[in-house]
Amino acid sequence: AQSVAQPEDQVNVAEGNPLTVKCTYSVSGNPYLFWYVQYPNRGLQFLLKYITGDNLVKGSYGFEAEFNKSQTSFHLKKPSALVSDSALYFCAVRDIGTGGFKTIFGAGTRLFVKA
Amino acid sequence: SQTIHQWPATLVQPVGSPLSLECTVEGTSNPNLYWYRQAAGRGLQLLFYSVGIGQISSEVPQNLSASRPQDRQFILSSKKLLLSDSGFYLCAWTQSGGNSPLHFGNGTRLTVT
Repeated sequence: AQSVAQPEDQVNVAEGNPLTVKCTYSVSGNPYLFWYVQYPNRGLQFLLKYITGDNLVKGSYGFEAEFNKSQTSFHLKKPSALVSDSALYFCAVRDIGTGGFKTIFGAGTRLFVKA
Repeated sequence: SQTIHQWPATLVQPVGSPLSLECTVEGTSNPNLYWYRQAAGRGLQLLFYSVGIGQISSEVPQNLSASRPQDRQFILSSKKLLLSDSGFYLCAWTQSGGNSPLHFGNGTRLTVT
């Protein structure tokens, strides 16, 4: 069965500093990996995805993520955090080996960026 | 462009009452449709998904059911709500057969009293 782990409930970072939000996954086959962001009382918004190819993927709002197959990780990064980046971030995996219909989400990591 | 509509935004219902939440997608055809529930502002639990009209897959046995009467319409229902049904319900769609991301509606906050 596929699963996603986000080991940190919360990440605190100062504005202008780099940020990393961690994610590890487990699937039986090859994964599609995604990052989403959620603002209060709203649905999730797509940030970026890894399907195949270059292990470093770039997405919206200056975010990027690095796929590491040996460590089964897909950490979200941004070189310089903004206060407006404060939100709830979700890592998600879709197992294409089982039909690719289901996307499973991690528990979420709350990011606080302090001015 | 594609849009997803989900309503109502908020709902307060007494225990034992019925429920109907509706979601529609515009600007695409034959989407995969999903219902998720988010408890306490954290992780998302997949409840149901559908890959076509009348095709419903249930992920978690519970007090809820889903239906897809039209290609771009997805309905979440209950005959009798429980207190534990309270939560934030999110509808989402994705293109079928590919690696496209999920696109979410703005959610319905359900409070069962």
